[in-house]
Amino acid sequence: AQTVTQSQPEMSVQEAETVTLSCTYDTSENNYYLFWYKQPPSRQMILVIRQEAYKQQNATENRFSVNFQKAAKSFSLKISDSQLGDTAMYFCAFQGGSEKLVFGKGTKLTVNP
Amino acid sequence: DVKVTQSSRYLVKRTGEKVFLECVQDMDHENMFWYRQDPGLGLRLIYFSYDVKMKEKGDIPEGYSVSREKKERFSLILESASTNQTSMYLCASSLGLPAKNIQYFGAGTRLSVL
Repeated sequence: AQTVTQSQPEMSVQEAETVTLSCTYDTSENNYYLFWYKQPPSRQMILVIRQEAYKQQNATENRFSVNFQKAAKSFSLKISDSQLGDTAMYFCAFQGGSEKLVFGKGTKLTVNP
Repeated sequence: DVKVTQSSRYLVKRTGEKVFLECVQDMDHENMFWYRQDPGLGLRLIYFSYDVKMKEKGDIPEGYSVSREKKERFSLILESASTNQTSMYLCASSLGLPAKNIQYFGAGTRLSVL
């Protein structure tokens, strides 16, 4: 069974700085998707970024980018120029050959003014 | 924009009650999901449905059942609520194609069982 590990339960960063959230996963599949979802306080979960495993190029969405290392089974999220609105729980998720997502336990990120 | 609506943000129920959590999506998505979210445990899949009247158990189905009579609506049922089912419940939906596998979430229902 696939597992997703987020080793940092909590992190903090100063506004305008850069922060990297870690995620590792375990799978024997070759084709899969990886996701980062964001859950702001008392608000609903939204997709931040998605990576397809067969694409070597790292996905980017504005200030958010990933470092996808397939051989190492690592999928970290980098947030540049952190903003107060980036304060949230961040979940890494894996999707293999089914419609189901496997989530990590989350990283609580606080952006300090 | 995709909209996933959960009928209640907060619910308080008594032990032994039958509880219905409702979820509706407005984008004709094939797949719908129910997750449970607990601090330090992340999201765990309870059940999901890939078509009307079709369902599949997730990782923690015990004590729960689901119903999907219409494509847009997916209900989670707690047959006899217990205190250990106090949690945040999240509903999600997705289109279901390999390239359209993004899940869209509702705002969540925080259930307290007393």
